[in-house]
Amino acid sequence: DGGITQSPKYLFRKEGQNVTLSCEQNLNHDAMYWYRQDPGQGLRLIYYSQIVNDFQKGDIAEGYSVSREKKESFPLTVTSAQKNPTAFYLCASRRTGSNEQFFGPGTRLTVL
Amino acid sequence: DAKTTQPNSMESNEEEPVHLPCNHSTISGTDYIHWYRQLPSQGPEYVIHGLTSNVNNRMASLAIAEDRKSSTLILHRATLRDAAVYYCILGSGGSNYKLTFGKGTLLTVNP
Repeated sequence: DGGITQSPKYLFRKEGQNVTLSCEQNLNHDAMYWYRQDPGQGLRLIYYSQIVNDFQKGDIAEGYSVSREKKESFPLTVTSAQKNPTAFYLCASRRTGSNEQFFGPGTRLTVL
Repeated sequence: DAKTTQPNSMESNEEEPVHLPCNHSTISGTDYIHWYRQLPSQGPEYVIHGLTSNVNNRMASLAIAEDRKSSTLILHRATLRDAAVYYCILGSGGSNYKLTFGKGTLLTVNP
């Protein structure tokens, strides 16, 4: 089955540690996105990538970094510079020419 | 970025139609209107999208005002599985297409 996988579903880290969230898709989509969601709020765009080896900052990129070395993978690193990293993180992908984004199941990150 | 305004919450009864409103008075000519829905602790799910004309699919209908400053998502017969947060979103950016989410409408469906 084609789709987007994010692992793990729950992640705990100590304050001051960097952590990398995984996002993999086998839909052969060119574009991929990372969003953050806080309780009771909508999604906010962190980074997005339209093509391999290229990515752009979204609305809240500070304290985050990404890479896009392969078409199917778009890992997100939450650095120690992110002041409030505890949140629900969602990855999405989109086929070029389509307006529909497909979302993964999300990773809930808790920084202790 | 253009923004949307939705009611915080709405309630419906099972098997009745539901009309979810959305205002987007600052929409630009190239913005698409998207609707996604999200169940608790899950990723959003695409529902429908349109530009100018009304749209229908197996999940819902989208009615777009003639001036495009508002739209309505119509669920023809609500089921308990339709209970979710519904987001009305404007998509823009051409080759850098991206969505800007608001807080959405929490739809409660009563049995």
